[in-house]
Amino acid sequence: DGGITQSPKYLFRKEGQNVTLSCEQNLNHDAMYWYRQDPGQGLRLIYYSQIVNDFQKGDIAEGYSVSREKKESFPLTVTSAQKNPTAFYLCASTPRQGRSYEQYFGPGTRLTVT
Amino acid sequence: GENVEQHPSTLSVQEGDSAVIKCTYSDSASNYFPWYKQELGKRPQLIIDIRSNVGEKKDQRIAVTLNKTAKHFSLHITETQPEDSAVYFCAASPSGGYNKLIFGAGTRLAVHP
Repeated sequence: DGGITQSPKYLFRKEGQNVTLSCEQNLNHDAMYWYRQDPGQGLRLIYYSQIVNDFQKGDIAEGYSVSREKKESFPLTVTSAQKNPTAFYLCASTPRQGRSYEQYFGPGTRLTVT
Repeated sequence: GENVEQHPSTLSVQEGDSAVIKCTYSDSASNYFPWYKQELGKRPQLIIDIRSNVGEKKDQRIAVTLNKTAKHFSLHITETQPEDSAVYFCAASPSGGYNKLIFGAGTRLAVHP
């Protein structure tokens, strides 16, 4: 493990609160991604970023926001507008923009909202 | 946009048997097809991938085949072992760059001793 880290591993929040999930990588990768995984389902893309200060919406961006102020960091904020935020969140990165390379995943953050 | 369907959703085999998981994709311009293995509570990890200019790739007990005409690709695991038990995801990288991956829903493989 190492290279791409997510914190915390488990996160509990009350409904109506915004929460920010951390993702950091020291792999010098250009591109970073956020996925959501629900039980028995695949990974769904929330947001992705190819370079600093640029990011695009994925398939399920509503209720989420991101920033990419540094190459190493891509935090995800789950806002109160996200109707069903409880899920396992995975961050990933790839080494070069514009081509298809292996995505390296972080260990994930399990968010529970009650 | 790209859509990836994966079958079966669960697969149970005896140790030593082969396992096959199939995926279809919708974007004919997709050019990269990885397979990830995810053990319970762990992060997905790449086990094999194939690019659109190749029809088959093999790595020890694991192989992937790609049929671009039919827009489907398959994962083959031979001589299965209990440690192969996990959830397997296929994915496709649609046209337009940006390294996006669209994942299938996953296949839970159980290998029984």
